[in-house]
Amino acid sequence: SQTIHQWPATLVQPVGSPLSLECTVEGTSNPNLYWYRQAAGRGLQLLFYSVGIGQISSEVPQNLSASRPQDRQFILSSKKLLLSDSGFYLCAWSRNSGVADTQYFGPGTRLTVL
Amino acid sequence: KQEVTQIPAALSVPEGENLVLNCSFTDSAIYNLQWFRQDPGKGLTSLLLIQSSQREQTSGRLNASLDKSSGRSTLYIAASQPGDSATYLCAVKGRGAQKLVFGQGTRLTINP
Repeated sequence: SQTIHQWPATLVQPVGSPLSLECTVEGTSNPNLYWYRQAAGRGLQLLFYSVGIGQISSEVPQNLSASRPQDRQFILSSKKLLLSDSGFYLCAWSRNSGVADTQYFGPGTRLTVL
Repeated sequence: KQEVTQIPAALSVPEGENLVLNCSFTDSAIYNLQWFRQDPGKGLTSLLLIQSSQREQTSGRLNASLDKSSGRSTLYIAASQPGDSATYLCAVKGRGAQKLVFGQGTRLTINP
């Protein structure tokens, strides 16, 4: 069966510090991968998605970036965090079949920028 | 631009009642629609996925319907239980698009 992991689970960082959140998927190959952010009162917003190694599409211009160094690893980064980067970050994956492409979500990372 | 709306934002009902959650979307050219459940501080759990060619999907006490022409979907929960308390989100995937567009969710509370 497939599982998706995210770490850390919670993170408190000062403004201006760097960020690295990691997501890994097990039990499948060549998945589509997604990073979402859920901010209070704003719903889920897609930040990045990837259909393969090194292939990243950005949905929202911001000071965040994403990388996919391995098939089942997706990393969200920032060089300098802003207060507005606080939120709940969710990674998700789906099969690359284009048919019944349910998205499966990880447990999330709660980021607080102070 | 696709917009997804869920009304009401919050709903509180006594245990045992049947209930309906609503989702509407502005662009009917969708590939599929999903309903998710989110417990506080947790990730999303997929409940049901309806392809654009389908009218409904059922899983246990849950039934989701899709009326693409009117831009609406409903999630029917039968014989509600306190364990059903959570936020329910619907999301649509447009044709040719990779991303899901989410509604703001309905926070459901089932009172024992």
